Order: sequence, then structure tokens, then C-alpha cells
Amino acid sequence: NAGVTQTPKFQVLKTGQSMTLQCAQDMNHEYMSWYRQDPGMGLRLIHYSVGAGITDQGEVPNGYNVSRSTTEDFPLRLLSAAPSQTSVYFCASSLGQKQETQYFGPGTRLLVL
Amino acid sequence: GNSVTQMEGPVTLSEEAFLTINCTYTATGYPSLFWYVQYPGEGLQLLLKATKADDKGSNKGFEATYRKETTSFHLEKGSVQVSDSAVYFCALSSISGGYQKVTFGTGTKLQVIP
Repeated sequence: NAGVTQTPKFQVLKTGQSMTLQCAQDMNHEYMSWYRQDPGMGLRLIHYSVGAGITDQGEVPNGYNVSRSTTEDFPLRLLSAAPSQTSVYFCASSLGQKQETQYFGPGTRLLVL
Repeated sequence: GNSVTQMEGPVTLSEEAFLTINCTYTATGYPSLFWYVQYPGEGLQLLLKATKADDKGSNKGFEATYRKETTSFHLEKGSVQVSDSAVYFCALSSISGGYQKVTFGTGTKLQVIP
């Protein structure tokens, strides 16, 4: 199993550009989520999904969209990038709705100029 | 709401020293507790977990005990190695509205020097 994969590893954007961060998992996990990691703030939840076709907002959803058309994929879209979205983004998945271990991808480092 | 408080870092220790990283939490109900580790340039990975009061999680020489009476889950290791240098995150997971909700601490950076 590849586990949780994320692409790209690193991206530079100009203010106002849009892009999609890709996330895929091959473990047949129902639960997937996106976090951003900023210095001194730990991980903050952006959006999550409890299964195909079901998504919901986390702690910091503004400026981001998600969709979950398949169990495997959970892309994160930045609609109009802003410097405040400069961060490291992690995708994670877990088996189900119980209080279970999350498996993280390697992260995408995003710089918005 | 739920919250997790970790001791601020960085923590610098000599090899073979004893490690404690404090973690306390606030939560309703009966959360599960986790320690995740993040090595440089990588994503987080589970180090250990405990799902009920008085459980002890252990892995790779690290231990933490779920203390409901003090709402704590302190991470300990008897003898650290240079390879333990990483950022450590305490986290709790609970069910809210029928779905899993995970709350992370801010992370504690550990540097072990030879």
C-alpha cells in the first residue's frame, strides 16, 4: 500500500491564482481530512469528509473548497490564493467514524507571493 | 470545546537523558488520546495511543498513561537518542455529532545532542 499520497510536494503561487492540492489513499478509509500547519499553531482542520459525497467544514474553511466523489480521492481547492494561505498542508485519513488513528500524507508546502 | 495544551519547546537534551513532555487536555465525554511524531520534512505518524482511563500506550521506548483524574497524557522516555529529534504532537479524538473530531496540541520540538 502507498498509504496517503499528496501532490505536489511544493508549490509557489501568485496572489489571486487558484490551484488544487491532490490527496489520495489506497486503504479504503472512510474518513479523510485536510489540515494546515503553521508555526506555533499546531495543526488546524480545514475540511473533512466522512465518506464519498459527504464533506463538512473544519476550524478554518474560508478560502478553500473540497469535494469527495470517490472513497480514494479528496482534493483541496484554493479559489483565489492569498499570502495568508502560505502554509504546509497535510491530508489525513482514518478507517471510520470511531476514535481511530489518523494516517498522514507527506505534506504540500505552499508559498503564496 | 475540546483543547490540548502541550509544554512549549524547544526541548534540548543530551543523548541518554530522561524525557518528559507534558500534555493536558479538556474534553467532554471519553476521548482517545494520542501522541504523534513528525520527523523533519515528513508528515505526522502515530507514536502511541490510549483509548480509556489508566491505559498506558507504549512504542519505541516511549510511554504515556491516560490520567483522567488529572486530564493528562504526559510522554516519557527513559533514554533518548539523537534519532528521537523531532516534533511531538499530543492529540485527542472524540465523537461530536456522530463524527470523529481530532484536536491537536501546538507541538513540542525535541532536539537531542550527542
